[in-house]
Amino acid sequence: AQKITQTQPGMFVQEKEAVTLDCTYDTSDPSYGLFWYKQPSSGEMIFLIYQGSYDQQNATEGRYSLNFQKARKSANLVISASQLGDSAMYFCAMSSRGANNLFFGTGTRLTVIP
Amino acid sequence: DAGVIQSPRHEVTEMGQEVTLRCKPISGHNSLFWYRQTMMRGLELLIYFNNNVPIDDSGMPEDRFSAKMPNASFSTLKIQPSEPRDSAVYFCASSLGTLNTEAFFGQGTRLTVV
Repeated sequence: AQKITQTQPGMFVQEKEAVTLDCTYDTSDPSYGLFWYKQPSSGEMIFLIYQGSYDQQNATEGRYSLNFQKARKSANLVISASQLGDSAMYFCAMSSRGANNLFFGTGTRLTVIP
Repeated sequence: DAGVIQSPRHEVTEMGQEVTLRCKPISGHNSLFWYRQTMMRGLELLIYFNNNVPIDDSGMPEDRFSAKMPNASFSTLKIQPSEPRDSAVYFCASSLGTLNTEAFFGQGTRLTVV
């Protein structure tokens, strides 16, 4: 069975600082993908970054990077140089080859402080 | 492409009434997902389709919920009869259906059952 855990219900970060949002996962499938989505107060779900289980390097997309530690089954999102517009809910999600669906964690609410 | 289109954006209905939510996925996508989001339960996967076929409906809460995908460009989620505890935001999402592709979300339907 798949499981995604986000243990931080809320996080605060000072503007221009970096912040790490935690995500751990569990699956018995050797092939899987990990995703991060952002949900601002307006409600839409915005895809941020993807990491495949066989990818050798950590994924990066602009100010977003994914700290992928396969042995620890963690896929933490790092946001560098935080901006006020980064304030939102952030969801970690997983898809596995066996299931090919997309399960989400409970989310972390990030607040960027001016 | 216009993205995933959901209708209606908002729905208010009385308890006991039938509610139908609609979704048009992105053209060419062969996986479609229905999610329900509430404060208490977060983002729950209700059902997903691959090539118009329901693959996993284990997340559908009760027999009052049903989903169909009669063709590649249209899906419905029906609740009959509706209850106040069904009040939530319902998201439809679609993807290319491969492990390394993200799901694109619609704007969601905010359902209120009074």
